[in-house]
Amino acid sequence: NAGVTQTPKFQVLKTGQSMTLQCAQDMNHEYMSWYRQDPGMGLRLIHYSVGAGITDQGEVPNGYNVSRSTTEDFPLRLLSAAPSQTSVYFCASSYSSPGAKPNEQFFGPGTRLTVL
Amino acid sequence: GDSVTQMEGPVTLSEEAFLTINCTYTATGYPSLFWYVQYPGEGLQLLLKATKADDKGSNKGFEATYRKETTSFHLEKGSVQVSDSAVYFCALSISGGYQKVTFGTGTKLQVIP
Repeated sequence: NAGVTQTPKFQVLKTGQSMTLQCAQDMNHEYMSWYRQDPGMGLRLIHYSVGAGITDQGEVPNGYNVSRSTTEDFPLRLLSAAPSQTSVYFCASSYSSPGAKPNEQFFGPGTRLTVL
Repeated sequence: GDSVTQMEGPVTLSEEAFLTINCTYTATGYPSLFWYVQYPGEGLQLLLKATKADDKGSNKGFEATYRKETTSFHLEKGSVQVSDSAVYFCALSISGGYQKVTFGTGTKLQVIP
């Protein structure tokens, strides 16, 4: 059981380049999320998904796209990288239990992205 | 909107010292409260949680009590170890739908021998 996996671990891009950050989970969780972590700002939600084919925007969605074609995978696409997107990106998943209390989130190890 | 405020760091303690990291929250509904820990170079992992008022979450010697009257969820440990050095995040989540999680800014703890 690998949990939540992310690739790559590190990436350096030039301004204007595009790339996809990969995220996969093997726990059959319905909910998946992407966060960015910046110093002094905690974690901010970029996009999330409540199931295959369903995605929605979080707090800071501009410059990012997502899709969810399977339960397992939730890639994050940077369309045209900017220096302001230099950050550490975390993918997380959790199981849904409608009507019950919120469940814990399981996090991947993160991708450290630098945009020059 | 919902928000979490936790004490600024970094916090530096000697081994075996007592730890308190303060956390207060504002929420539109009745939240569940969490503490997550992030060790260097890793993702966050759940440390403990509490889902209703006066609940006490505990794990690995850490404790936190859900205080609805003071909207607080302070993290405590009686005797810290060097291995506790990490960043600690307080968080809340409201039931219903996606259950969005709101995180505090994190408090870095360094424990010196």
